[in-house]
Parts: sequence; structure tokens; C-alpha cells
Amino acid sequence: GIQVEQSPPDLILQEGANSTLRCNFSDSVNNLQWFHQNPWGQLINLFYIPSGTKQNGRLSATTVATERYSLLYISSSQTTDSGVYFCVPPVGGTSYGKLTFGQGTILTVHP
Amino acid sequence: DVKVTQSSRYLVKRTGEKVFLECVQDMDHENMFWYRQDPGLGLRLIYFSYDVKMKEKGDIPEGYSVSREKKERFSLILESASTNQTSMYLCASSLGYGSVQPQHFGDGTRLSIL
Repeated sequence: GIQVEQSPPDLILQEGANSTLRCNFSDSVNNLQWFHQNPWGQLINLFYIPSGTKQNGRLSATTVATERYSLLYISSSQTTDSGVYFCVPPVGGTSYGKLTFGQGTILTVHP
Repeated sequence: DVKVTQSSRYLVKRTGEKVFLECVQDMDHENMFWYRQDPGLGLRLIYFSYDVKMKEKGDIPEGYSVSREKKERFSLILESASTNQTSMYLCASSLGYGSVQPQHFGDGTRLSIL
């Protein structure tokens, strides 16, 4: 299956700062989800982004499938942005969309 | 918005008990999934179902079974709970077969086996 490398593994920010999280893939992906898992364990869909750029409020994501990476931008970070961010491609060769989660990026935003 | 509801947020059971975790989705999704999440191991797929009464093993099915009698409901069963099944369990659903659609997750169940 596709290997996913997320960077940085840990990130500490002051409230108001901007950040970029990156995912590199071992192979091209034809679709990708970004999730945020908050400190209570809830996994929240951020983006479903096979390619191109999407924006949702202070967050935006860009996937360049041919170059095998995706970026998540967080602007004007807030303490509620803290948690773990996962970029997740589906398991290769499946029609059911099984996902393979990596270790994610742990983000801590201090007030 | 898609709503995936897990029956319990926290659950405490004893070793050897039969445990049922329930998951219901309200969007007529064909696919449903059960994951467990453990520190250092990430999320791992236990079982998934792509239709009523259909199921497929995921990466770690041992010690678990599932039931999907109705499209909206997917149950995870621990036949004889053991302490190594203490974990966070997450249910997800997605639309369709033949094209990969985004998965939507429930809030999770923190299960402790004593």
C-alpha cells in the first residue's frame, strides 16, 4: 500500500500563528482526506481533496497528486485547532475506500 | 450533514463478557467501517461492510465479529472481551461502491475491559 510521511510530527504554535503541514506519499494518490482529531478523540473531516486546492475558513488544502504530496494550511491558529492532523489516502486497489492512517502531526496551540 | 452515531461514549466491561458496540448512520451509506485506535499504533481497521449482511475482515479482525442486518446499522461484537481489547473504537461510513468517497466518523467509544 501507499506509504505516508507526515511532517512535522509535532508542532507547537502560539495562537494567531500560521502553519503548514505536509504529507508525502510513496505513490500517486487519486483521492485524499484530511482529518482533525481533537483532544476528545473526535475525528472530523476537514477536506476530501483528490487534487487541486480547497478552502474552508482559516484552513485550506492543496494536493498535487502527480508530485505525490499534499499540504494543509492553517492560518491565524486558535487553541481549538489543537489535536492530531491526519492525511489519509485510501488503500490501493480497493473499491470500498478502506483508509490507512499514519501517525499524523500533533499540533498544540498555546493561548 | 452526515451523522454517524455510536451508542456509547464510554463503556466499562469485564473480562469474558460479550460486548456490543453499535453504530448508526443516517445518510444511506453503503459502506461502514470499524476501527480501533491505540497510542503508538494509530487507527487500524477491524472490519468493514459494503452492503447489508456483507462483511470483510480488516487488518485486525481476531477476537471480533460484526453484524449488519440493516443498512444504517453496523455492530461490532467482542465475543469474549479481554483486557487487550481496551481501546478507542471508531465507526465510519461512506457512500458507494466503485468510487472512493470520503469517510465520516462517529465520536468514538472508549472501551475499558477490566
